Amino acid sequence: GIQVEQSPPDLILQEGANSTLRCNFSDSVNNLQWFHQNPWGQLINLFYIPSGTKQNGRLSATTVATERYSLLYISSSQTTDSGVYFCIPYTGGFKTIFGAGTRLFVKA
Amino acid sequence: DSGVTQTPKHLITATGQRVTLRCSPRSGDLSVYWYQQSLDQGLQFLIQYYNGEERAKGNILERFSAQQFPDLHSELNLSSLELGDSALYFCASSQGGGRQPQHFGDGTRLSIL
Repeated sequence: GIQVEQSPPDLILQEGANSTLRCNFSDSVNNLQWFHQNPWGQLINLFYIPSGTKQNGRLSATTVATERYSLLYISSSQTTDSGVYFCIPYTGGFKTIFGAGTRLFVKA
Repeated sequence: DSGVTQTPKHLITATGQRVTLRCSPRSGDLSVYWYQQSLDQGLQFLIQYYNGEERAKGNILERFSAQQFPDLHSELNLSSLELGDSALYFCASSQGGGRQPQHFGDGTRLSIL
């Protein structure tokens, strides 16, 4: 099955800093989803992005399916951005494979 | 609000017991997925149903079972509970399966004492 690798595993930022999170995957994908798990455990859908770039406020995502990676950009980070960021690459199969996540802590 | 409803939010029980977790998918979604998130295992895919039929199985223990009913809600049954079953259990739904975006409920936090 598909292998998913997220980097970095942990990230500590000062409020206001920018960051880039990466999701590498081993197989061709039809689509990819980014989630944020907040400190209360809720999984919040951020982007559903098969290719190209999408932006939503301070967050944007880029997927380059041909090179098997996706990037999540967080600009002007805020303490509320803290939590764990997961990617799910969709291959068309039915088993869902999560990456291990990037744990982000934003300091005030 | 994702539109996916999970009940109960919290559940505390003892080893050896049996519990049932419930999930109501978003309106119009036919697929339901179950996941387990424990501290040492991360997010693990358990099982997926599409329109009442099982579509895919992940790392689901034999002590666990699930089903999707005609009204599309789903239940996850956990029996002979062990301490290691303590985890956050998520349900997600999507319109179809395989390449459709998933929308997650807030989870059921299960604590085994």
